[in-house]
Amino acid sequence: AQTVTQSQPEMSVQEAETVTLSCTYDTSENNYYLFWYKQPPSRQMILVIRQEAYKQQNATENRFSVNFQKAAKSFSLKISDSQLGDTAMYFCAFVDNRLAFGKGNQVVVIP
Amino acid sequence: DTGVSQDPRHKITKRGQNVTFRCDPISEHNRLYWYRQTLGQGPEFLTYFQNEAQLEKSRLLSDRFSAERPKGSFSTLEIQRTEQGDSAMYLCASSDQETSGNTIYFGEGSWLTVV
Repeated sequence: AQTVTQSQPEMSVQEAETVTLSCTYDTSENNYYLFWYKQPPSRQMILVIRQEAYKQQNATENRFSVNFQKAAKSFSLKISDSQLGDTAMYFCAFVDNRLAFGKGNQVVVIP
Repeated sequence: DTGVSQDPRHKITKRGQNVTFRCDPISEHNRLYWYRQTLGQGPEFLTYFQNEAQLEKSRLLSDRFSAERPKGSFSTLEIQRTEQGDSAMYLCASSDQETSGNTIYFGEGSWLTVV
């Protein structure tokens, strides 16, 4: 069974600053996908970024980027130039057949 | 495409009643998932379908819970004899290896409150 671990349950960041969320996972699979999802107060689960395990290059989506370390089973998310709309719960997730979530990080962007 | 849609969005029911939620996935997505989320927690996997076949069920899915996807399109999740502990948001999601590359897209969820 795969497990996903997120520490630092709540983090605050000043607007325009950078914040990094950590995530580790456990699997015996070699091919899999990793995701970061954002869940704002509306509770809609929104995809932020995805990473295929077979790709060595770290994924980037605008202000969001990941640091994927396959050997260490680590998958951190960096949010650059934080905006007020980034305030949300952020979930790290792992999938081979089904999606397993971590417990989430609450990010609060302070004006 | 309008994305994953769920109905109803909110449901309040008395303990002991049955409730049914419906999910319409993104068209042509062959995988459909059900998750449950309580406040302050991450979503917990319940079950998933590949087309009409239910391929995996979590131990969280007690015998009061049943999910179907009869024609491989929409799905229903029924909870019989509801208990207060069933109060949660029920999330549906869909994906397709061909069109979404295993990316899983979520609906807005169905809130259940059991009183």
